[in-house]
Amino acid sequence: AQSVTQLGSHVSVSEGALVLLRCNYSSSVPPYLFWYVQYPNQGLQLLLKYTTGATLVKGINGFEAEFKKSETSFHLTKPSAHMSDAAEYFCAVSDPNTDKLIFGTGTRLQVFP
Amino acid sequence: DGGITQSPKYLFRKEGQNVTLSCEQNLNHDAMYWYRQDPGQGLRLIYYSQIVNDFQKGDIAEGYSVSREKKESFPLTVTSAQKNPTAFYLCASSGLDSTQVYGYTFGSGTRLTVV
Repeated sequence: AQSVTQLGSHVSVSEGALVLLRCNYSSSVPPYLFWYVQYPNQGLQLLLKYTTGATLVKGINGFEAEFKKSETSFHLTKPSAHMSDAAEYFCAVSDPNTDKLIFGTGTRLQVFP
Repeated sequence: DGGITQSPKYLFRKEGQNVTLSCEQNLNHDAMYWYRQDPGQGLRLIYYSQIVNDFQKGDIAEGYSVSREKKESFPLTVTSAQKNPTAFYLCASSGLDSTQVYGYTFGSGTRLTVV
């Protein structure tokens, strides 16, 4: 069975500081991995995804993530936080054979001026 | 533009009532999903459908029902058997996007409150 663990339900950073949101996965098959962002009372917006190929994936709004198979990780980073980055972030894994998308419990990012 | 439309955005249910949440997509995606979101618990899969006239239970299907009579539509009924229905409900679909890359698209959600 597939699962996702997001370390830290809340992360706080200062504006301009590095953002690091952690995600580890468990999968019996090569996974597809996703990061989504959610603003209050809205749906999920895709930040980036890894399916195959290059392990460093660049997404929207300056975010990127690196797929590390040996560490079963897919951490999300951004070099310099902006106030508009404050939101909830979800890591997810899917089994290419079943299409089901399994989510982590989310990390709420706060950005202080 | 293609996308997923969920309605209504806000819904209030009295105790003992069934209510139906609408989800429509024009992305020509085969697969559709319903998730429930509660604070601190992430998104949990209620039901999913990979093809018309077929659907499977997810992790928390009790108290919910769905139908998939058309490719574009995947309505979710919250029945009176669901004892704690107050939550944010998200619908999604998956398939090839405009660049022929596989992906998921989410609706903007329905917030259901029991009154």
